[in-house]
Amino acid sequence: GAVVSQHPSWVICKSGTSVKIECRSLDFQATTMFWYRQFPKQSLMLMATSNEGSKATYEQGVEKDKFLINHASLTLSTLTVTSAHPEDSSFYICSARDLGAAGRGETQYFGPGTRLLVL
Amino acid sequence: QKEVEQDPGPLSVPEGAIVSLNCTYSNSAFQYFMWYRQYSRKGPELLMYTYSSGNKEDGRFTAQVDKSSKYISLFIRDSQPSDSATYLCAMSALGGSARQLTFGSGTQLTVLP
Repeated sequence: GAVVSQHPSWVICKSGTSVKIECRSLDFQATTMFWYRQFPKQSLMLMATSNEGSKATYEQGVEKDKFLINHASLTLSTLTVTSAHPEDSSFYICSARDLGAAGRGETQYFGPGTRLLVL
Repeated sequence: QKEVEQDPGPLSVPEGAIVSLNCTYSNSAFQYFMWYRQYSRKGPELLMYTYSSGNKEDGRFTAQVDKSSKYISLFIRDSQPSDSATYLCAMSALGGSARQLTFGSGTQLTVLP
């Protein structure tokens, strides 16, 4: 149980284009999902908290107009990197909390990540 | 000072060794403690989950939490080359609707055959 998928697993795009990344909880409902960014050999950096049916909460320094987050259902959140530039190249990972998991409601289950390369 | 401190390593051990990974933290509100394993170019995988102080064992893995010292540990017995990965400690506090996790910087472990 508690499987989170991400699509695509990797994407290469030209500078100025927009890229959408999907995050799905496959076997549980997730009212809250999280989006992280990770640079090589560094830990996870929380970008935003995505709440089903409401606006996302962005961390300080993260541009909400550049990283659009939509959490339209209990199993799907999307991150759109708008007008991507080479400095947006990174590993993007989503996670979800399984509130239904007995005794494990505080844990987050992570997707496999999406590697973005902007040329 | 970071809220969570973790020795980044790298740590190299021979196969079969006992591995000890540690994190210290400063926020006394942390109540939930997790260890994640992350292979290169993959998302983190939950290994252990502990609430409050105490020990928890799962196979070759043992997690310990000492809230009085603000110190958590993960022990790996009979380490295998397949255990080679980056290990991240994570913790969260009670309260707040989001329950965000605070991560350590990760320890890179290599188990040599």
